[in-house]
Amino acid sequence: NAGVTQTPKFRILKIGQSMTLQCAQDMNHNYMYWYRQDPGMGLKLIYYSVGAGITDKGEVPNGYNVSRSTTEDFPLRLELAAPSQTSVYFCASSKTGQLGNTIYFGEGSWLTVV
Amino acid sequence: GENVEQHPSTLSVQEGDSAVIKCTYSDSASNYFPWYKQELGKRPQLIIDIRSNVGEKKDQRIAVTLNKTAKHFSLHITETQPEDSAVYFCAAPGGSARQLTFGSGTQLTVLP
Repeated sequence: NAGVTQTPKFRILKIGQSMTLQCAQDMNHNYMYWYRQDPGMGLKLIYYSVGAGITDKGEVPNGYNVSRSTTEDFPLRLELAAPSQTSVYFCASSKTGQLGNTIYFGEGSWLTVV
Repeated sequence: GENVEQHPSTLSVQEGDSAVIKCTYSDSASNYFPWYKQELGKRPQLIIDIRSNVGEKKDQRIAVTLNKTAKHFSLHITETQPEDSAVYFCAAPGGSARQLTFGSGTQLTVLP
């Protein structure tokens, strides 16, 4: 199993541009998440999904959108990129809800908005 | 929502010494407390977790203790080794989405 795979690993965006971070998992997990990690800070939940066709906002959803058309894929869309969105983004998944279930993270995507 | 505070933000210990990282949480309904380790440039990985029905859990050189009354839990690493150097995150369920809220992390450095 590849686990959680996210692309791209690095990206530089100009202010106002849009892009999609791709995420896929091959563990047949129901739950998927997107976190952002700012330097010296913890992980903030952007969006999560409990299954195909179902998504919900986390702590910091503004400026982002997600979709979950299949169990495997959970792309994160950035519209009108802003410098405040410069961060490391982690996609993650778990079999069921987070309480008591291990969250598996992808390798991260480093995004810089200039 | 849940508020998770983690201390210290940085910790340096000599190889072989013990390290202790403490987290406090605000939501008394929280019942699951994992710890994640993140090596430089890598993804966070679960190293140990504890549920609210036990007070302590050990796995070789690492242990986690939980004090529900005081609403704090701690990570203990004994006989530290250079490969223990990493950022450690605690987490507790809560927040606006009732999902895990992470602490701000502790940079542990084990000095040879």
